[in-house]
Amino acid sequence: RKEVEQDPGPFNVPEGATVAFNCTYSNSASQSFFWYRQDCRKEPKLLMSVYSSGNEDGRFTAQLNRASQYISLLIRDSKLSDSATYLCVVNNQAGTALIFGKGTTLSVSS
Amino acid sequence: DTAVSQTPKYLVTQMGNDKSIKCEQNLGHDTMYWYKQDSKKFLKIMFSYNNKELIINETVPNRFSPKSPDKAHLNLHINSLELGDSAVYFCASSETSGGLFYEQYFGPGTRLTVT
Repeated sequence: RKEVEQDPGPFNVPEGATVAFNCTYSNSASQSFFWYRQDCRKEPKLLMSVYSSGNEDGRFTAQLNRASQYISLLIRDSKLSDSATYLCVVNNQAGTALIFGKGTTLSVSS
Repeated sequence: DTAVSQTPKYLVTQMGNDKSIKCEQNLGHDTMYWYKQDSKKFLKIMFSYNNKELIINETVPNRFSPKSPDKAHLNLHINSLELGDSAVYFCASSETSGGLFYEQYFGPGTRLTVT
């Protein structure tokens, strides 16, 4: 299994839709989990950290399932401005760096 | 104020040349990183520096050498550039503590084109 795997998409959804992304990771000892967002030709930016109990930030909800080693991101009421690539991020086995998934592309249309 | 800055933003050069990319962070973070994002958009860690010491060094060619004159700077020097080095290079910084990672802040990227 790759260190971090994501469905590359693209996910094409209409405005107002709910969309979910999943990510799996290989290191069962990982402690740090994040979702980043990257717009075209821009740098990645933190969307939200992912906590064991799950966490919500407005329309965005992140969940962590340690037993199955996957992370999810749920976006409710999608906006045009949500169109971007979403990167799943987990620390590596050595605990020395963060590993970025290849990203899932979301396109929201009117 | 820009948190993480990189120069230059664009770099076009010929094969065989040597070039440097500079990075500075004003966040007081203890760890800085270099990432390479290739044409397939895969963001891959190249190096990280923690308190001026290299703590990881992924399997990158030794033509690439990070240099950190102080905690706020991590420059990337590339010797004998090759076509395959064309990519976007991102600098980033973060705090780290006890094996835990906190938010990484990225610079705007340097788009390197080797002709």
